[in-house]
Formats: sequence, structure tokens, C-alpha cells
Amino acid sequence: QQQVKQSPQSLIVQKGGISIINCAYENTAFDYFPWYQQFPGKGPALLIAIRPDVSEKKEGRFTISFNKSAKQFSLHIMDSQPGDSATYFCAAKGNTPLVFGKGTRLSVIA
Amino acid sequence: DSGVTQTPKHLITATGQRVTLRCSPRSGDLSVYWYQQSLDQGLQFLIQYYNGEERAKGNILERFSAQQFPDLHSELNLSSLELGDSALYFCASSPGAGTGFKLRFGSGTRLTVV
Repeated sequence: QQQVKQSPQSLIVQKGGISIINCAYENTAFDYFPWYQQFPGKGPALLIAIRPDVSEKKEGRFTISFNKSAKQFSLHIMDSQPGDSATYFCAAKGNTPLVFGKGTRLSVIA
Repeated sequence: DSGVTQTPKHLITATGQRVTLRCSPRSGDLSVYWYQQSLDQGLQFLIQYYNGEERAKGNILERFSAQQFPDLHSELNLSSLELGDSALYFCASSPGAGTGFKLRFGSGTRLTVV
């Protein structure tokens, strides 16, 4: 049973555009929602994270939007750059270690 | 650099064999986590150790086992290997016991079972 559902599986965005990746969860015990970025041949690296008591968190060009009532959260990448091309994973944590979505492969084309 | 070291980077072995994957956590981190990454299942949590003790268990097969040693490095043992065990195996570490916050991942071991 997948606890965090992520979409889309893949995404192609023009340079300078906005990339949006969505995740949904069911477990209301989750209290921490990070996003990880993974480049080929590397392990995932923490990008940005949010707790459910805030609706939005912004770090540079990366923003998490969180909708507690809908049990959804999303990652927005503003002014997407070719260097942002990677696989992005949403994740959630409650009283168990992180559970991950299946990932979104983002390609930013010039 | 995450500070988490995994060896070997690549491993090719035959079905039915046994392999050991090794992980050294980031300096100061007491928790080690093992994850399996496959194309169709994404990142699946296998097991967590904290300061030598098993802390949490996920979707780890009975053919798989792990341990954390007094120097905090961890080993994941995979036995009676099957073709379906081919995957990337990641180790991650974090400072505390039940946090799981700010997991730092190693670069992984790519296991190919032929």
C-alpha cells in the first residue's frame, strides 16, 4: 500500500518556466513533509521540508505548498533551469521513518 | 557531500548467492537506515538501526538482514538472491533515534543479480 502518491511520473518544462509536482497522503499522523532531489548516480538529498502547521514554505526558487484539509502538498520550482533536471521525491514522516513517493523525473529544456 | 559512505558502488552476482553491503554513517549520526530503490517501487524503507539496536522495520524480506556495529557502521546482508533483488540500495543516516529528519543518503550500491 503506497502511503504517499506522487504525480506526474515525468515532467518536461521549458527553461524559465514553473515546474509543479504534486503529492497526496492518507495518514493523518504524518507531521513532516520533505522533498528530496536526486541526480543520476547520487543518493537523494534534502531540498526543502514543511510541517503541517504552515501552508507554504519558500527557499529561493523552491516552494512547498501544503493543504492539510485536502491532505496534499506540492513542490513548485520557479524559473526552472537545466541544472534542476533531476528526480524529485516527496516524502512523509509520522512515527515511522520516511515513506517516499515514487518520484518525478524532471527535465528542463532550453 | 553527505558524509555517508557506501561500499561497494556496484555488485554483480548470481542468483542464489549472498552479498554484504556496507555503510558508514555521517560522523556523529547514530541512526542508520536502509532503503531499496527500484524503478517501479521507488524508495522502499527496509530497516533502521539506532546506536546498535534495531529501531524500525519496513518491507524487509526474511532473506535480508542487517546489523549495526559498535563503531556505528552498518551492513545489509542479502541472501538467496533472486533476479528481482536487483536494485539500488541506499543507506542514510541521521543524528537521533526516532527523528528521521534530514536524512543524509549515501551514493548507493547498485546490485545486479544475473
